[in-house]
Amino acid sequence: KQEVTQIPAALSVPEGENLVLNCSFTDSAIYNLQWFRQDPGKGLTSLLLIQSSQREQTSGRLNASLDKSSGRSTLYIAASQPGDSATYLCAVFSGGYNKLIFGAGTRLAVHP
Amino acid sequence: ETGVTQTPRHLVMGMTNKKSLKCEQHLGHNAMYWYKQSAKKPLELMFVYSLEERVENNSVPSRFSPECPNSSHLFLHLHTLQPEDSALYLCASSQVAGAGETQYFGPGTRLLVL
Repeated sequence: KQEVTQIPAALSVPEGENLVLNCSFTDSAIYNLQWFRQDPGKGLTSLLLIQSSQREQTSGRLNASLDKSSGRSTLYIAASQPGDSATYLCAVFSGGYNKLIFGAGTRLAVHP
Repeated sequence: ETGVTQTPRHLVMGMTNKKSLKCEQHLGHNAMYWYKQSAKKPLELMFVYSLEERVENNSVPSRFSPECPNSSHLFLHLHTLQPEDSALYLCASSQVAGAGETQYFGPGTRLLVL
């Protein structure tokens, strides 16, 4: 059974720092992996999707990497800003009809 | 309205009540999903619909009854719920229910069962 773990559970940093959020999964047989952002009272916003054949994806200040063999992904946030404060969720596509398996998330607070 | 919308945004109900959650997608997608997000557990997939047919039921209790009358609308009918069913219920859609298709989420319905 696929399980997704995210570390750390919470993170508080000053503005401007570069951050690394970690995601690990137990079954390396995934189709791809997706990082989401969740703001309080709002739904999930897709940030990056990495295909199983890819090693990384970049969007602006965000960079996500994928190492299937070791069951790990990292989300790198450069030059963090207060507007980056949110919960970041990692999810893997694992079998069946587009079944997403989520981690518990990392709650990020960036203070000025 | 654009994207995925959900109503109501907040709902309080007693254990003997019957209520329904509604989801509507304006993206022309053919697959829709219900997820549950409890306070102490990761987001969990509940149901998947593809072309109005339920294709996945992730061992959800029968007190949750989904309905997909067309590809744009998805309902979750609730009856005789328990307090532990209190959670954020999220709806999502994707172009098709194929592996790796990007899913687009609604804002969720925050449910409290008393």
